[in-house]
Amino acid sequence: AQSVAQPEDQVNVAEGNPLTVKCTYSVSGNPYLFWYVQYPNRGLQFLLKYITGDNLVKGSYGFEAEFNKSQTSFHLKKPSALVSDSALYFCAVRGPGTASKLTFGTGTRLQVTL
Amino acid sequence: DVKVTQSSRYLVKRTGEKVFLECVQDMDHENMFWYRQDPGLGLRLIYFSYDVKMKEKGDIPEGYSVSREKKERFSLILESASTNQTSMYLCASSPGSGGAHEQFFGPGTRLTVL
Repeated sequence: AQSVAQPEDQVNVAEGNPLTVKCTYSVSGNPYLFWYVQYPNRGLQFLLKYITGDNLVKGSYGFEAEFNKSQTSFHLKKPSALVSDSALYFCAVRGPGTASKLTFGTGTRLQVTL
Repeated sequence: DVKVTQSSRYLVKRTGEKVFLECVQDMDHENMFWYRQDPGLGLRLIYFSYDVKMKEKGDIPEGYSVSREKKERFSLILESASTNQTSMYLCASSPGSGGAHEQFFGPGTRLTVL
């Protein structure tokens, strides 16, 4: 069975500071990893994904994520946070042989303040 | 751009009513999904479909059924709504087989069962 853990319910950061939203996963075989963002009363928007290759993946809105196989982690990062980045962030994993099913984490609320 | 639309943004129903949630995607995607989103629980997969008239149970199918008569449309049915089905329902679609494709989400339907 595949699973995702987002250990922080909320992350608070000041605008202009770097941010990290943590994600660890468990899957048999090589994972496909995804990050999504959800703004209030909206559906999820895709940010970035890791399929294979470079461990550092760049995505939308200046976000990036680093795949670390030994630590089974895929943390989301941004060098300089904006107030408009405040939203709910979800990490998701898909393992081999699971068709197209994604397993999502419970989400981390990012609050960026002035 | 991929567009996934859902028939209602907000819906209020009474216990015991039959409820239909409709989802339409315009990008000829093979796969379609229904999730429910609850605070602290993240997204949980109810049902998915990888082809017309095909369906597979997700993690929490009890109390729900689905219908996919046309490729672009995927319906979620609550046969007899109950208060514990009050939730945000999200539809998603993705292309083809294999695990590399991200899912595209609709705006969600917030269902309240009284």
